[in-house]
Amino acid sequence: QVNLQESGPGIVKPSQPLSVTCSVTGYSITTSYYYWNWIRKFSGNKLEWMGYISYDSSIYYNPSLKSRISITRDTSKNQFFLQLNTVTTEDTAVYYCARWPFYGAFDYWGQGVMVTVSS
Amino acid sequence: DIQMTQSPASLSASLGETISIECRASEDIYSNLAWYQQKSGKSPQLLIYAANRLQDGVPSRFSGSGSGTQYSLKISGMQPEDEGDYFCLQGSKFPYTFGAGTKLELK
Repeated sequence: QVNLQESGPGIVKPSQPLSVTCSVTGYSITTSYYYWNWIRKFSGNKLEWMGYISYDSSIYYNPSLKSRISITRDTSKNQFFLQLNTVTTEDTAVYYCARWPFYGAFDYWGQGVMVTVSS
Repeated sequence: DIQMTQSPASLSASLGETISIECRASEDIYSNLAWYQQKSGKSPQLLIYAANRLQDGVPSRFSGSGSGTQYSLKISGMQPEDEGDYFCLQGSKFPYTFGAGTKLELK
């Protein structure tokens, strides 16, 4: 059973970095041809794909975030991480991690973690 | 970026009614289109991928169709458990982009 679980700080102050962890169980993040993604959902239900780290550690970011985002992983813990720098209130959202298999759609998602940017 | 225009924004359906939700892409996405259902407080569930392929475990009353820039999700016979938000996703070109969503309610 594939399971993804996000964990994060809840509240982040403006201009500080936002860090969220995705812990994956039931499936190795190094299995070929799978991509591990970050997606966020704003109030009003708008969804934004943020980027991925692949099975072979290649990375792709949404150009709208490219200067602020970093996605890394720890294969020994089967986790991957999101860091978003210099946050503003507009980064307040529910952050999801999700798996993208070779056939092309997010098939497993975490429950999401709400992150609020506020002083 | 590819823009995904989803309609309607909200929909109310009677039990057993057949409904359709549409997504139009700003350019050809070559059937790289998925549909999701999301219930309040839950993670999105994949219904359809590659425009018309039913994800394992999804009831057969859900179906997808379309090509090029026009795609649709059909629910053949609305059930109470089908209430929720539905959205489309294009996976043809980076950055992946989503439709704005449709809120489906039981009348």
